[in-house]
Amino acid sequence: AQSVTQPDIHITVSEGASLELRCNYSYGATPYLFWYVQSPGQGLQLLLKYFSGDTLVQGIKGFEAEFKRSQSSFNLRKPSVHWSDAAEYFCAVNTNAGKSTFGDGTTLTVKP
Amino acid sequence: GAVVSQHPSRVICKSGTSVKIECRSLDFQATTMFWYRQFPKQSLMLMATSNEGSKATYEQGVEKDKFLINHASLTLSTLTVTSAHPEDSSFYICSARVWDKETQYFGPGTRLLVL
Repeated sequence: AQSVTQPDIHITVSEGASLELRCNYSYGATPYLFWYVQSPGQGLQLLLKYFSGDTLVQGIKGFEAEFKRSQSSFNLRKPSVHWSDAAEYFCAVNTNAGKSTFGDGTTLTVKP
Repeated sequence: GAVVSQHPSRVICKSGTSVKIECRSLDFQATTMFWYRQFPKQSLMLMATSNEGSKATYEQGVEKDKFLINHASLTLSTLTVTSAHPEDSSFYICSARVWDKETQYFGPGTRLLVL
């Protein structure tokens, strides 16, 4: 069965600093990988996705992620964090049935 | 494009009553819709998968007689929580996707409080 691990429950960064959120997955076949962001009381917004091809994918809001098959990882990065980036971030992997399995999420706090 | 709406956004009901939550894809046809439940500070838990015109497929441990799902059209799925109890209080989120496409588009969620 597939699984997703987000090792960091909570991360605090200063505004303007760089950010990396970790995601490790377990899935036997070629994974479809996603990063979502959720603000309090809201649904999920898709930041970026990886299906195939270039392992470095660009998303919205200045985010990017790199797929590393050898490490079963799909880490999310942003070079300079803004206060509005404070939110909950979820990594997810799809099965071939189209279902998504989500990680437990990482809460991002941005210090002024 | 790819907007999904949910109605209502918040609902408070008395224990023992039923509540219906609607999930609509506004600008695309969704052959598949998913229903999730999210507890505070936790991840999303998939409850069921609904395909237009067929019965929903429920995840293990989810009571299908309690959480009735109907996907009557390509743009609408409904989740009815029957005989609600306080432990059913939660944040319910739907998502929708086009057949054979991997990307899901999420609704804004419905906050249910059962008193």
